[in-house]
Amino acid sequence: QVTLKESGPALVKTTQTLTLTCTFSGFSLSTNEMRVIWIRQPPGKALEWLAHIDWDDDRFYRTSLKTRLTISKDTSKNQVVLTMTNMDPVDTATYYCARIFYGSGNYGMDVWGQGTTVTVSS
Amino acid sequence: SYELTQPPSVSVSPGQTARITCSGDALPKQYAHWYQQKPGQAPVMVIYKDSERPSGIPERFSGSSTGTTVTLTISGVQAEDEADYYCQSADSSSTYVFGTGTKVTVL
Repeated sequence: QVTLKESGPALVKTTQTLTLTCTFSGFSLSTNEMRVIWIRQPPGKALEWLAHIDWDDDRFYRTSLKTRLTISKDTSKNQVVLTMTNMDPVDTATYYCARIFYGSGNYGMDVWGQGTTVTVSS
Repeated sequence: SYELTQPPSVSVSPGQTARITCSGDALPKQYAHWYQQKPGQAPVMVIYKDSERPSGIPERFSGSSTGTTVTLTISGVQAEDEADYYCQSADSSSTYVFGTGTKVTVL
């Protein structure tokens, strides 16, 4: 069974750095054509792709947030970490991780974590 | 930046058919996927690669594609289908975009 779970602080202050961890099971990020994605959703708003990391360590970032985001993986721990610097109240959102496994023929985000809510306050 | 446009809301009576459109210039070149999100829950994939249905998703969910528009169709809508629906695609091989979202209300 494939599962993902996000963890991190529920509250951060303005200008601080947010660190979120996605811990997964049921698959390996060393498997060819595997990808883990971070997505966020501000309250009452649409989903927004942030970044993703591939099995071969390729990394991609949302253009508007590229200078603030870093994504990394620890294959031995089955974890993907996302850091976002200089947090602002507009970054208040539920943050999700999900996976894509191109090797299965499914090019979509087939399994999602439950999400973790982050509030940014001054 | 690339956008996927959906109608904000669709209302449908139980047993009727709901159709949700998603428009984007790159859709002829990139697959589209659809997600259902109920209040307080994570999204769930209901359609991938324009028209494929994941295992466990009811047959009343189907997808189609014509030019720059993809459509999610829910046939014989049930009360449990009331949710927000998002399309998702790529604007290149390496970056993703979600649609603006559609709230489906079952009357």
